[in-house]
Amino acid sequence: DSGVTQTPKHLITATGQRVTLRCSPRSGDLSVYWYQQSLDQGLQFLIQYYNGEERAKGNILERFSAQQFPDLHSELNLSSLELGDSALYFCASSESGRQGDEQFFGPGTRLTVL
Amino acid sequence: EDQVTQSPEALRLQEGESSSLNCSYTVSGLRGLFWYRQDPGKGPEFLFTLYSAGEEKEKERLKATLTKKESFLHITAPKPEDSATYLCAVLSDYKLSFGAGTTVTVRA
Repeated sequence: DSGVTQTPKHLITATGQRVTLRCSPRSGDLSVYWYQQSLDQGLQFLIQYYNGEERAKGNILERFSAQQFPDLHSELNLSSLELGDSALYFCASSESGRQGDEQFFGPGTRLTVL
Repeated sequence: EDQVTQSPEALRLQEGESSSLNCSYTVSGLRGLFWYRQDPGKGPEFLFTLYSAGEEKEKERLKATLTKKESFLHITAPKPEDSATYLCAVLSDYKLSFGAGTTVTVRA
């Protein structure tokens, strides 16, 4: 158990809908990262937050947004969902803002868009 | 654009049969190279960080090495519990790029 929690574990929704994925980092970790893992694309870095502020951006679509709250939990919002958004979404956390830090991954949320 | 290529895609080993996984990369300014292990349906688990050519790190039956263009993950005398997908990632500036992974299956 990495200490990172993600909810829900599974999510099934329809095209065009909007969903919110939630992540609670390990106690004491200030950075949260979001990743998307699909069969054809592998693991893709989406975005990083550090202590409430956006720190780095990867291959995140404009339909997706994220935020980190004062209690350090984070939410990833996915809107206007398409079939291709079906994937595993992982959250990871680390102590500081440096991407070189060891990242601890949560168990993931499996999103299925029908 | 940063590129990370892992080979082979899949590796089937007999218990005790040592082997190596390769991660070759093309990045503009390497800030670190990471190895992760991922079990099916679970999040990646951190194994090693390497920062400069010539650096080596070991953990149980795993040893990671780094050159200027590639990294190797050596698995010595593997056991069935070493079966997993091993992911390599490189960090340049603020972007972490992952390879597609090598799926290792160790038969008893």
